[in-house]
Amino acid sequence: AQKVTQAQTEISVVEKEDVTLDCVYETRDTTYYLFWYKQPPSGELVFLIRRNSFDEQNEISGRYSWNFQKSTSSFNFTITASQVVDSAVYFCALSEAYQLIWGAGTKLIIKP
Amino acid sequence: DGGITQSPKYLFRKEGQNVTLSCEQNLNHDAMYWYRQDPGQGLRLIYYSQIVNDFQKGDIAEGYSVSREKKESFPLTVTSAQKNPTAFYLCASRYSGLSTDTQYFGPGTRLTVL
Repeated sequence: AQKVTQAQTEISVVEKEDVTLDCVYETRDTTYYLFWYKQPPSGELVFLIRRNSFDEQNEISGRYSWNFQKSTSSFNFTITASQVVDSAVYFCALSEAYQLIWGAGTKLIIKP
Repeated sequence: DGGITQSPKYLFRKEGQNVTLSCEQNLNHDAMYWYRQDPGQGLRLIYYSQIVNDFQKGDIAEGYSVSREKKESFPLTVTSAQKNPTAFYLCASRYSGLSTDTQYFGPGTRLTVL
């Protein structure tokens, strides 16, 4: 069965520290998508990134970077030089047909 | 501006009442979804619709109903049969194209049963 595991329930760091959020997935599909979403305190889910299963290139967007490794079924998310505005719950998700399989989320707290 | 709107932002319901949550999108997306989120928890799928006049149950459909009469609209009714409806409800629409497939979310509706 498809599954997404975000083992880190909550992470707390001091501003300007780097932080990595882990995501491990299970799937039998050969073609799939992986996603990261951010949920700030306001509640709306904000799409951050989508990665195709056949594209293992790492992605960098400003202070955000993503490391996709099919060999370990992981799609980890790193925030460099964290800021207070990065405080949110972050969800990893895996595509399954017309649906998404969601991880439980990681609550990230950035202390000033 | 293109996007997904949900209304109301906050909704209070008395026990035994049915309430309807609105979800509208002007992104021309074919598929739409309803999720429920309880405090400190992840998302659980209630219903989804891939095309007009068609929808499928998700993992927790009991006590909920939907309709999809227009491509832009996917309202969710929380019926009195839903025993614990207090939660945050999120609507999403999905864009599916060549080498891309992404769900985009509305701002959500917080439902409280009094």
